[in-house]
Amino acid sequence: SYVLTQPPSVSVAPGQTARITCGGNNIGSKSVHWYQQKPGQAPVLVVYDDSDRPSGIPERFSGSNSGNTATLTISRVEAGDEADYYCQVWDSSSDHPGVFGGGTKLTVL
Amino acid sequence: EVQLVESGGGLVKPGGSLRLSCAASGFTFSSYSMNWVRQAPGKGLEWVSSISSSSSYIYYADSVKGRFTISRDNAKNSLYLQMNSLRAEDTAVYYCARDHSAFGYWGQGTLVTVSS
Repeated sequence: SYVLTQPPSVSVAPGQTARITCGGNNIGSKSVHWYQQKPGQAPVLVVYDDSDRPSGIPERFSGSNSGNTATLTISRVEAGDEADYYCQVWDSSSDHPGVFGGGTKLTVL
Repeated sequence: EVQLVESGGGLVKPGGSLRLSCAASGFTFSSYSMNWVRQAPGKGLEWVSSISSSSSYIYYADSVKGRFTISRDNAKNSLYLQMNSLRAEDTAVYYCARDHSAFGYWGQGTLVTVSS
């Protein structure tokens, strides 16, 4: 089945830009979605279909996807952005289409 | 306002069974695919199962196939997960989530603990 690979952790200073990657075989051919999860809370969709934002999600959150890597970019990082971030695809060619990456802990220094 | 409320979690012995429910409100339930996603303590998200709006398409993760059954009752705006032959590794918070492909709405989850 399809595998998504994320770095376990990313650290960034407030006001800087955080980039969280999600690797997968030819992931550029799939739609990638990103979730933010804070401790004790349910996940929240922050980017869908590679680069679209649900209503209410700040423009600081953006996404891109090409080749074997998708990237979630958080500009002007704030302390409140500290959370776990997960990438996810729906692999429609598989009998097990729901796939999550292992997650990345974003630490705001 | 979209609301998803899970229930039915609890402590169960290995080999036992449990049925989770997810009550939906604030949208036309019968028009949307629904999903179960779980998270073991201190671990990442794991997709468990999905069901299309009319129950025509059902999918399971390999880790639960043959033991878990997803179903829905559109008349009752409810999603279910029947879990049989439970194992210690099934211990997790179970979330129901709405939508096909990207899961736009999530419940707060219900904790399932499998332990003797």
